[in-house]
Amino acid sequence: GIQVEQSPPDLILQEGANSTLRCNFSDSVNNLQWFHQNPWGQLINLFYIPSGTKQNGRLSATTVATERYSLLYISSSQTTDSGVYFCAVLNAGNMLTFGGGTRLMVKP
Amino acid sequence: DAGITQSPRHKVTETGTPVTLRCHQTENHRYMYWYRQDPGHGLRLIHYSYGVKDTDKGEVSDGYSVSRSKTEDFLLTLESATSSQTSVYFCAISESSDSAKLFFGSGTQLSVL
Repeated sequence: GIQVEQSPPDLILQEGANSTLRCNFSDSVNNLQWFHQNPWGQLINLFYIPSGTKQNGRLSATTVATERYSLLYISSSQTTDSGVYFCAVLNAGNMLTFGGGTRLMVKP
Repeated sequence: DAGITQSPRHKVTETGTPVTLRCHQTENHRYMYWYRQDPGHGLRLIHYSYGVKDTDKGEVSDGYSVSRSKTEDFLLTLESATSSQTSVYFCAISESSDSAKLFFGSGTQLSVL
């Protein structure tokens, strides 16, 4: 099946810093999504982005499907951005496969 | 926020007992999913449904069954719970299988002793 790898696995930032999270996948996809799991365990859908670039406030995402990667940018990070960020891609069986996540800690 | 309610939020049970988790949605979405989340394994799909009485297996379906008698409700049953099924269980919904956002419920923490 499709492999999804996220990097870095862990990231510590000072409040106000910018960061880039990466998601690599092993096959072509037509569905890629980014999620944020907050410290209380709630999973929030950030982006549905099979290709191109989208922005939502301080967050933006870019997927280059032909090169099999997606990037999530966080600008001017805040402590509320802490948590785990997952990307997920749709495989041939119409099931989303999740990456292992990037654990982000933003320090005040 | 998507209208997804999972119940119970927490449950402790003993090995060998049956357990049923419930997911209720108010969005009228066609697709519903059950995932489990474990350290080191991330989120893995257990079963999903693409309509009333239409269900299929995910990658970790052994030991689990599901039922969907109404559009809004999707039940996950552990027929005889084992300690390996201790996990956090998430329900999710989407409008379509391939081109729509996935929205998650708040999760159920299940401990099997």
